[in-house]
Amino acid sequence: EIVLTQSPGTLSLSPGDRASLSCRASQGVDSYYLSWYQHKPGQAPRLLIWSASRRAAGIPDRFSGSGSGTEFTLTIRRLEPDDFAVYYCQHYGTSPSITFGQGTRLEIK
Amino acid sequence: QMQLQESGPGLVKPSGTLSLTCSVSGYSMTSGYYWGWIRQPPGRGLEWIGSIYHRGTTYYNPSFNRRVTISVDTSKNQFSLRLNSVSAADTAVYHCARHSYPSLGGSGDFDWWGQGTLVTVSS
Repeated sequence: EIVLTQSPGTLSLSPGDRASLSCRASQGVDSYYLSWYQHKPGQAPRLLIWSASRRAAGIPDRFSGSGSGTEFTLTIRRLEPDDFAVYYCQHYGTSPSITFGQGTRLEIK
Repeated sequence: QMQLQESGPGLVKPSGTLSLTCSVSGYSMTSGYYWGWIRQPPGRGLEWIGSIYHRGTTYYNPSFNRRVTISVDTSKNQFSLRLNSVSAADTAVYHCARHSYPSLGGSGDFDWWGQGTLVTVSS
């Protein structure tokens, strides 16, 4: 099973800053099956990025995904107050084996 | 706009069965996606439970050791989760979601989610 490790656990930034969130896979994965989500307490998680770099419908271009192999990054430019949330990466593998990272909490500094 | 809404008992006794239903509105479940259940225990991350296609094909997370059954009722545009032999470790917020499954050309992501329902396992 692929293990996804996200870092940092918590990221403290200010509105207007740029956020860079990391997702590391325990072994190389096909980037087609790597996704990112935003989750706020009491709300439905929201798909941000699919296939490592493709924005989901309605997601602003301040959000971007990149990476391949074992290293993936979610970048959020010009942070807005509504962006402060928990972010998860997720991978679909064969068998199937669907796993999530443990999450990165983005908090206001 | 599509909406998914989870429903079911919020309290289940240990060794009992957890039963939840996801009602889908604004989209027909027969239109080419899988439908999944994901949970989040308190203070922990997300965990995939399983997914189902409208024709009944299911895939489950092996870690649930055959305790789980997911079924679908296309006449009601709903799908359901049953988890047997529950313990306190099964206390979690349970989400349902539309699953863009690779066998149907998707990338394995969950692109629409319900907001979740808390199920507590306690006597």
